[in-house]
Amino acid sequence: AQSVSQHNHHVILSEAASLELGCNYSYGGTVNLFWYVQYPGQHLQLLLKYFSGDPLVKGIKGFEAEFIKSKFSFNLRKPSVQWSDTAEYFCAVTANQAGTALIFGKGTTLSVSS
Amino acid sequence: DAGVIQSPRHEVTEMGQEVTLRCKPISGHNSLFWYRQTMMRGLELLIYFNNNVPIDDSGMPEDRFSAKMPNASFSTLKIQPSEPRDSAVYFCASSHPGTPLGGYTFGSGTRLTVV
Repeated sequence: AQSVSQHNHHVILSEAASLELGCNYSYGGTVNLFWYVQYPGQHLQLLLKYFSGDPLVKGIKGFEAEFIKSKFSFNLRKPSVQWSDTAEYFCAVTANQAGTALIFGKGTTLSVSS
Repeated sequence: DAGVIQSPRHEVTEMGQEVTLRCKPISGHNSLFWYRQTMMRGLELLIYFNNNVPIDDSGMPEDRFSAKMPNASFSTLKIQPSEPRDSAVYFCASSHPGTPLGGYTFGSGTRLTVV
């Protein structure tokens, strides 16, 4: 079964600082990887996803993530955060086949001060 | 496209009462997922359906929890009897045939408080 580990529970940054959130997964087969964001009081929204091809994927709002297969990692990055990026971020994995469920990490809360 | 619709948005109930949460997936999506979100445990998969058939219910915490999908456009998650530790936000998600390429869409969630 798949599992996801997010290293940071709570990250606090100032505006314009760079961000990197760690994510490692455990699964023996081919996976698809996702990052979701949850703004306060809202539902989950997709930031970006990786299925195949270029391991560096770009998502919305200036976020990107790099898939490193040898490290089973899919870290999320943003060069310069904004106050509006304050939210909870979830890494998720699913097996590379139709009709399978997303398995989430426990999430990382990002607080950005202006 | 109205997205995944969940009802109610908020539910407050007394311990011991039956609670029913509802979900309407996006039309054409053939997979439906129920998740529970708490501070302590994060987002947990409870159960999911493909083509209205339950595929994996290993995440359902106890026999007090049950889920049904009588047709492609409706699913329920029932807790009977409810307990304070069931308090959480319950999310429903649906996905298109061919997912994961098609992606997953989440509803706005139901915030359940059991007092």
